[in-house]
Amino acid sequence: SQKIEQNSEALNIQEGKTATLTCNYTNYSPAYLQWYRQDPGRGPVFLLLIRENEKEKRKERLKVTFDTTLKQSLFHITASQPADSATYLCARSYSGGGADGLTFGKGTHLIIQP
Amino acid sequence: NAGVTQTPKFQVLKTGQSMTLQCAQDMNHEYMSWYRQDPGMGLRLIHYSVGAGITDQGEVPNGYNVSRSTTEDFPLRLLSAAPSQTSVYFCASSYGGGEYNEQFFGPGTRLTVL
Repeated sequence: SQKIEQNSEALNIQEGKTATLTCNYTNYSPAYLQWYRQDPGRGPVFLLLIRENEKEKRKERLKVTFDTTLKQSLFHITASQPADSATYLCARSYSGGGADGLTFGKGTHLIIQP
Repeated sequence: NAGVTQTPKFQVLKTGQSMTLQCAQDMNHEYMSWYRQDPGMGLRLIHYSVGAGITDQGEVPNGYNVSRSTTEDFPLRLLSAAPSQTSVYFCASSYGGGEYNEQFFGPGTRLTVL
């Protein structure tokens, strides 16, 4: 079955630096990879979606890449701020809207230190 | 718009009791789904629906029932609660048309089964 793997250990980054989070998947390539942010006690919030035939997507300080050779997506936050501290979740879907639901990784806890 | 709403926010049950977790959305979304989130396990798909009258099982459906009689509502029923169902439950919805459709999550229901 398809697995989504994220480094579940906390990632500590100094404010102002670029934070890079990794999402690896096994088996066949998902049609879409989505990234979400989750704050404690809250539901996930959508950030970015990238299709398997796209190499890169950007939104403000956020950038996501998709490498089907490495079976990996990287999520970058440039000029990081303490307010970016949260858990970031990677998820795969086979339709853009997630008709069949999403398969999530366990998430990476990002801490931006002032 | 209220977005995705879930009730109750917190619930404590005894083993063997049944209950229904409510989920509603006011965005006219076709797709709805239920997830549970456990420490160290990430979000796992329980059931999903692509429209009124259509539901299907996700990764962890045992012990749960769903129905979708309207576009707006997607309740999750626990038939006979077990301690293993102690978790945080999230409902999500998405538009279903086009390709770049984010999932909107509710605030979650924290369930404890004693």
